Amino acid sequence: KNEVEQSPQNLTAQEGEFITINCSYSVGISALHWLQQHPGGGIVSLFMLSSGKKKHGRLIATINIQEKHSSLHITASHPRDSAVYICAAGGGGSNYKLTFGKGTLLTVNP
Amino acid sequence: DAGVTQSPTHLIKTRGQHVTLRCSPISGHKSVSWYQQVLGQGPQFIFQYYEKEERGRGNFPDRFSARQFPNYSSELNVNALLLGDSALYLCASSWANEQFFGPGTRLTVL
Repeated sequence: KNEVEQSPQNLTAQEGEFITINCSYSVGISALHWLQQHPGGGIVSLFMLSSGKKKHGRLIATINIQEKHSSLHITASHPRDSAVYICAAGGGGSNYKLTFGKGTLLTVNP
Repeated sequence: DAGVTQSPTHLIKTRGQHVTLRCSPISGHKSVSWYQQVLGQGPQFIFQYYEKEERGRGNFPDRFSARQFPNYSSELNVNALLLGDSALYLCASSWANEQFFGPGTRLTVL
């Protein structure tokens, strides 16, 4: 069993739909990261959170430390949101390393 | 201000060869981490360096090595390349555990 599990693996939506991607982790963490990866490889950090909720534009990330679960929400989705969204658990004691989920491929159709 | 830079962007090698990948962190960042991303998978942690010292190592063979220089730039070296080493190699510099990723080096081993 992977230490960081994401669901769904693939997600197709129509423009304007509300999208939720889920992440469960079994490792102890200092922070939970949500990342976006476009075709070609570039990774952009969307959120780093250790409790509660963060919002940036149409993106919202929440985390429940007790349940070891986080969600990424996209409101009013747009085709430009199409990308792979990756959840990563950060921690590791004296060194800080990320343990990644396999990613969720999101396709938003116009 | 420049982000994390990596060189080269693409590289083709044959089995048994050696490769050196380079990473320059964001100015002021003292920590650099290396990740390997095989096609279709999430990234896997290889190394973390902080202030020129190795702080963490992932589950990779001794063919993989790295170092960090006084200016905090870093090199990842891979010896005796195997076909399975073909991947996107990502470097991230960090400040207060927030990770900033470079564009990656895509290595193809033939």
